[in-house]
Amino acid sequence: GIQVEQSPPDLILQEGANSTLRCNFSDSVNNLQWFHQNPWGQLINLFYIPSGTKQNGRLSATTVATERYSLLYISSSQTTDSGVYFCAVEANSKLTFGKGITLSVRP
Amino acid sequence: NAGVTQTPKFQVLKTGQSMTLQCAQDMNHEYMSWYRQDPGMGLRLIHYSVGAGITDQGEVPNGYNVSRSTTEDFPLRLLSAAPSQTSVYFCASSYRPPGQGANTEAFFGQGTRLTVV
Repeated sequence: GIQVEQSPPDLILQEGANSTLRCNFSDSVNNLQWFHQNPWGQLINLFYIPSGTKQNGRLSATTVATERYSLLYISSSQTTDSGVYFCAVEANSKLTFGKGITLSVRP
Repeated sequence: NAGVTQTPKFQVLKTGQSMTLQCAQDMNHEYMSWYRQDPGMGLRLIHYSVGAGITDQGEVPNGYNVSRSTTEDFPLRLLSAAPSQTSVYFCASSYRPPGQGANTEAFFGQGTRLTVV
């Protein structure tokens, strides 16, 4: 099956800093999604991005499907950005997740 | 719309007991799925369904059963609970199956934290 790798596994930021989270995948996929899991465990869909760049407030995502990677940018981080960020790729009626990136934003 | 609703939120089982985790969605989504989340492992697919009456196995199906008799409901049954099934379980749905064009954005329930002792 498709392998999904996320890096770095852990990230600690000071409030106000910027960061880039990376997602690599091993095969061609139809689409890619980014999720945020908050400290209470809830999973929220951030982006649905097969290719190109999308922006939503302080967050943006870029997927380069031909090179099999996606990047999630967080600018001016806030403590509420803390949690785990997952990317997941779509293929063959399945959504395959990476192991996640744990982000801690300190005040 | 309530979205995706999972019950119960917490459950403790003894080894060998059986139980059903409930999942319902009110968005008329074609596709539903179950995942388990374990520390450091991400989310792993247990079973999925592309429509009523159709189910298939995911990455870690052993010890679990599913059925899809209606579009709205997709229960997950643990046949004989084992400590290795201690995990957080998530149900998800999307209008269309992943990888099949548009409208595949996934929506998740709140999760069920299951402990098997």
